[in-house]
Parts: sequence; structure tokens; C-alpha cells
Amino acid sequence: KNEVEQSPQNLTAQEGEFITINCSYSVGISALHWLQQHPGGGIVSLFMLSSGKKKHGRLIATINIQEKHSSLHITASHPRDSAVYICAVRSSSGTYKYIFGTGTRLKVLA
Amino acid sequence: GAVVSQHPSRVICKSGTSVKIECRSLDFQATTMFWYRQFPKQSLMLMATSNEGSKATYEQGVEKDKFLINHASLTLSTLTVTSAHPEDSSFYICSASLLVGYNEQFFGPGTRLTVL
Repeated sequence: KNEVEQSPQNLTAQEGEFITINCSYSVGISALHWLQQHPGGGIVSLFMLSSGKKKHGRLIATINIQEKHSSLHITASHPRDSAVYICAVRSSSGTYKYIFGTGTRLKVLA
Repeated sequence: GAVVSQHPSRVICKSGTSVKIECRSLDFQATTMFWYRQFPKQSLMLMATSNEGSKATYEQGVEKDKFLINHASLTLSTLTVTSAHPEDSSFYICSASLLVGYNEQFFGPGTRLTVL
């Protein structure tokens, strides 16, 4: 079992739909990072969280430290949101390495 | 802010040649840089961590003589794939952190290497 699990692995939505991507982890963490990888390969940082909730435009990220769970929400989804969304955690064990989830492949249809 | 660039974005080379990939932090000084490899539809795999002015720390299973990493300045790290073979074909991504142990990594756009 991976230390960082994402669900769903693949998601197809219609434009305008509300989208939720989940990330569960089994290790103690100091921070969780949501990343977006476009088809061309470039990775964009969306959010860095250690507690609570963050919002940027149509994107909202929440984290529940006790439940070891984070969600990424996209409101009013658009075809340009189509990408792979990756959850990465930084373990609290002292190393600064990231542990990556396997990613959620999102496709938003017009 | 926190922009990381990579050069080249795409490279095709013949088997047996060496390829150098540059990773630069454009608007901050990166004490720590990370090199990742990504196969199609898979997650990022950490290859090595480099701190400015010191030798890189390689992950288990990564050949340090094959993948030479140099982090000579606070804004530049290079990855050289030596004597490249077709199985080295992959997407290579670097990231940079402002300070040792600092939380956030900022990722470069990646370099797609194809070895013929």
C-alpha cells in the first residue's frame, strides 16, 4: 500500500461541474502540496497546506490532519482544468523529501 | 516569484553520448535542488538531492556515475546523463527549495530526453 493514496485515479467531468479529488496518507506530515501537471509535463504548484483550508480562484484545498486526509476542489470546472493533479506530502520524520501520490487524471469536457 | 527553469526542454541524442540538463532558479537562491525522473503515466521518482557546494545524495538504485549532478551555485544545478542508452529515455524534472529543509519545492518545466 502506497503511503499517499489518491482517488479517483481518473475522472471525466462536464464543463461547469464541481470536482473533488481526494488524498489520504499514512505517515505523519509537516506539509501537503497539491500540484498540477499539464499534458506537456510542466508542474505547477497549486497549494501548500499544513492545516485548514486555502482558496485561490476556483480552487479550494482542505486538509484534516487528524484524519490524514486532504481534498482538492474545483468549482465551475473548465476544459483548461484538464491535467493530472498530484498530492505530495513532506514527512515529519525529518527528511525534506516529498512522497508523491500516483496522481488523478482529470478530463473536463466542453 | 519562485520560478524554476530547465534547459533544454527536449533533447534527442544518439546512444552512447552524454546529455547535460540545466536547472535554474530564476528569482531566488536555491540551497537545495532535487532531480526527478518520470515515466509515462507514473508519478515522479526522486533520483537525487543536491545542496549547493556539496556532493549530491543519490536515492537507492540510482547510479551516481551514470547521472552526474553538479550544484555549483545557488541558482544552478546540472544533471548529466553519461553514455546515454535508450532505457534512459524519460522525462526529467528538477525542483528547488529556498532553504535546506524548507517545506515547499518549486518545480521546473521538465526535460524530455529521447535516446535513439
